Amino acid sequence: EAQVTQNPRYLITVTGKKLTVTCSQNMNHEYMSWYRQDPGLGLRQIYYSMNVEVTDKGDVPEGYKVSRKEKRNFPLILESPSPNQTSLYFCASRGGGTARQPQHFGDGTRLSIL
Amino acid sequence: GENVEQHPSTLSVQEGDSAVIKCTYSDSASNYFPWYKQELGKGPQLIIDIRSNVGEKKDQRIAVTLNKTAKHFSLHITETQPEDSAVYFCAASMKSGGSYIPTFGRGTSLIVHP
Repeated sequence: EAQVTQNPRYLITVTGKKLTVTCSQNMNHEYMSWYRQDPGLGLRQIYYSMNVEVTDKGDVPEGYKVSRKEKRNFPLILESPSPNQTSLYFCASRGGGTARQPQHFGDGTRLSIL
Repeated sequence: GENVEQHPSTLSVQEGDSAVIKCTYSDSASNYFPWYKQELGKGPQLIIDIRSNVGEKKDQRIAVTLNKTAKHFSLHITETQPEDSAVYFCAASMKSGGSYIPTFGRGTSLIVHP
């Protein structure tokens, strides 16, 4: 089954404790991205990657890092989490390179940073 | 960059009524407009999309219209059912640096009362 898998689905942690949210897709998609969803603000892009070893900042990249060492994986790293990063996070992937194609989203990771 | 406005933020209808959600975009270079449905606890899923060389597209009870001159597009759901209750997001995509980068609206919470 074609899917985007995020782990963990839920995490409660404390300020300053490094964490990584993993994202994996099995559709051989070139493009992957991370979003955060906050009430009233919709989906805001954090980082995206157009292919292996190619990453770029989205609209709200501060406090986040990503890496794209393999095509299927695109982890999101919070080196020193802070309470304002408490949010619902989604990973997405899309095939087609420059084609106009929809994104496939994971089911989300709810992060609470105390 | 692109700016997408989505209205209304909340829409409440009776089962069987029609629902219309409207989005406007700012950059005439945008040429791909997907709509996503997000159910509780899930990631957004594509329900319909339209490309800028088409004015209208229908898929059973849902339709999307695009007015490129006015830079707005709308989602129409007819004969609404309780299972249509969800958050709906519009997006506008334009080519940037070799790929299509989407900008999302803030979402519309649709409630269908039985």
